[in-house]
This record gives sequence, structure tokens and C-alpha cells, in this order.
Amino acid sequence: DQQVKQNSPSLSVQEGRISILNCDYTNSMFDYFLWYKKYPAEGPTFLISISSIKDKNEDGRFTVFLNKSAKHLSLHIVPSQPGDSAVYFCAASRLNSGGSNYKLTFGKGTLLTVNP
Amino acid sequence: KAGVTQTPRYLIKTRGQQVTLSCSPISGHRSVSWYQQTPGQGLQFLFEYFSETQRNKGNFPGRFSGRQFSNSRSEMNVSTLELGDSALYLCASMGPSVGASYEQYFGPGTRLTVT
Repeated sequence: DQQVKQNSPSLSVQEGRISILNCDYTNSMFDYFLWYKKYPAEGPTFLISISSIKDKNEDGRFTVFLNKSAKHLSLHIVPSQPGDSAVYFCAASRLNSGGSNYKLTFGKGTLLTVNP
Repeated sequence: KAGVTQTPRYLIKTRGQQVTLSCSPISGHRSVSWYQQTPGQGLQFLFEYFSETQRNKGNFPGRFSGRQFSNSRSEMNVSTLELGDSALYLCASMGPSVGASYEQYFGPGTRLTVT
């Protein structure tokens, strides 16, 4: 049972345009969400996170939107740059269980290609 | 501040053998988690250690075990290796929460190949 789903295996975007990566989750107990970027042969790099008490978090070119009723979150990258080309993973965790449940449940990832 | 380091980076083992992987977290981080990444299953949580105690555990067989030392360094052990254990094993550390943020920072991983 896949609790975090990234339904688009790949996305191709032109440099300078907006990249929108989507993620859906099924477990309503998830209350903290993260996005990671991963290059081949490297570990995932943390990008941005959002708590379920918010619906938006912004950090430079990266913005994460959370729609709790739809159990959906998205990562917007504006403007997209060729160096953003990587696999992006959405992850979720449950912190409300005493604040000690730091297990991350990951989606399968979306390969973003930004074309010059 | 140095990042999460993992050793070795690459490892080739034979079925039935056992293997030990090592992880050194970011200085000051006391939580260390381990994940397995495979093409078919993606990134899956193995276990998390905090102050030398296993705090969380994923759905992996007992052949997968770990431990954490007093300096927060962690080791993961896989006994009786199977072909399906071939994967990238990632370690992640997490420090004290800052402003209700709970980010885990990953190392480069150990690529294990079982033949």
C-alpha cells in the first residue's frame, strides 16, 4: 500500500518557466511533508518542508503548497534552471505521535528535466 | 560543518555473507535513520536510532539490524545476504528541531551489490 504517490514519473520543462511537481498521500495522520532532490550517485538533498498547520511555504525559487482536504501537495520551482534537473522525492511523516516519529515515507520520485 | 558520511561507498558481497555499513552523522545530530533505495520499491525506511536506542523500525526482516554508539555514529548490519538486498543504503541524520522543522539530512549512500 503506497501511502505517498508521485504519479508523474517524469516532467520536462523549458528553462525560465515554472516546474510543478505533484504528490498525493493517503494517510491522514501525516502532518509534516518534505521535498528532496536527488542526483545520481548522491544522497537526497533537502529542499523545503511544510507542516500541516500551514498551506504554503516559500524559500527562494521553491514554494510548497499543501491542500489537506485533497491530501495533495505540490512543489513549484520558478524560474526553472538546467541545474534543477534531478529526481524529486516527496516525503511525509507523522510528528503528532509524541514528536518522536521521524520515519519518512517517500514517493517513488519524479525526474525533472529542465531544457536550456 | 561536515555532512553525513557513509563508508564504504561501494561494496560487493556474495549471497549468504554478512555486511556492516557505517554512518557518521552531522556533528551535534543524535538521530540517525537508515533507508534502502531500490529501483522497484523506491526509498524505504529501515530504522531510526536516537541516543543509542532504536526508536522506530520499518518492515524489514530481522536480518537487518543496527546500532548506535555514544558518539551518535551508527552501523547497519545485514546477515545472510540475499540477491534482493542489492540496493543503495542511505543514512540520514537529524538535529534538534528548530522552529518546528524536522529535516533529515542524507549521506551519499553505500551501494551494495550481492552476487
